[in-house]
Amino acid sequence: EVQLVESGGGLVKPGGSLRLSCTASELTLANTWVTWVRQAPGKGLEWVGRIKRKTDGGTTDFPAPVKGRFTISRDDSKNTLFLQMNSLKTEDTAVYYCTTIYVTQNYYYMDVWGKGTTVTVSS
Amino acid sequence: DIQMTQSPSSLSASIGDRVTITCRASQSISNFLNWYQQKPGKAPKLLIFAASTLKSGVPSRFSGVGSGTDFTLTISSLQPEDFATYYCQQSYSTPSITFGQGTRLEIK
Repeated sequence: EVQLVESGGGLVKPGGSLRLSCTASELTLANTWVTWVRQAPGKGLEWVGRIKRKTDGGTTDFPAPVKGRFTISRDDSKNTLFLQMNSLKTEDTAVYYCTTIYVTQNYYYMDVWGKGTTVTVSS
Repeated sequence: DIQMTQSPSSLSASIGDRVTITCRASQSISNFLNWYQQKPGKAPKLLIFAASTLKSGVPSRFSGVGSGTDFTLTISSLQPEDFATYYCQQSYSTPSITFGQGTRLEIK
C-alpha cells in the first residue's frame, strides 16, 4: 500500500524556520508529482507548494502567500521530500499534508495523502 | 485565482437521507473538479475526480455531476460513516488549485 508520512512539525517563533519531511513507501517520489496542502485550525484547505516529477523537469511552484519563503527539495536516496519554511508567520500555523498528484491531460487530483504534521508559529 | 464556493456551509441530515452539496466556480473550469471527504483529525480522502468519476473503492451512493461553473455532490442514502466535511477543489488552473470552504455534514 502506498503511504506518505510527514514529520518535522513543531513549535517555532515568528521569523523562524522549519523543515518538514515527507517519506514515501511503495512509491518513488522522484517519479511523482507531489503537493503540500495545509489546513489552519478550524479552517479549510490551502495549497502551499508543488514539485513535478524529475522527468517533467522537477520544477517547483508556490502560491503568493508563501512564495520566496517556502522551498521544496528531494533526497532521492531516502525517497524523501522536504518543505523548507523560512520567515515563518503566525498565519502559517496549520497541519501540513503531503499528497501525491495524479496528473494527465484530463485529470489532476490529490490521490494519496499523508496523515499530516502540525506546525505552530507562536512567540 | 479561481474562487470556489460551496453551499450549504453546514447541513444536518438523518441516516438514509439523500443529500446534495453544491460547488460553484468563479469562472468556467470545464470538468476539472474534485471532491474530498475529511473526518475530524484525519487527512482528506479523494471521493470523485473529473466532476463525476468515482475513485475506486468509494461507495456507489456517492455521485457527482456538473461542468463549467456548477457542480453537485450527492449522497443517495446517508450512512453513519458519511458524516464528515466535504470539499470541492478545482484543478483547471494549475498549479494554483483552490478548494471550496467546505460543507460540514452533521447528524440530525
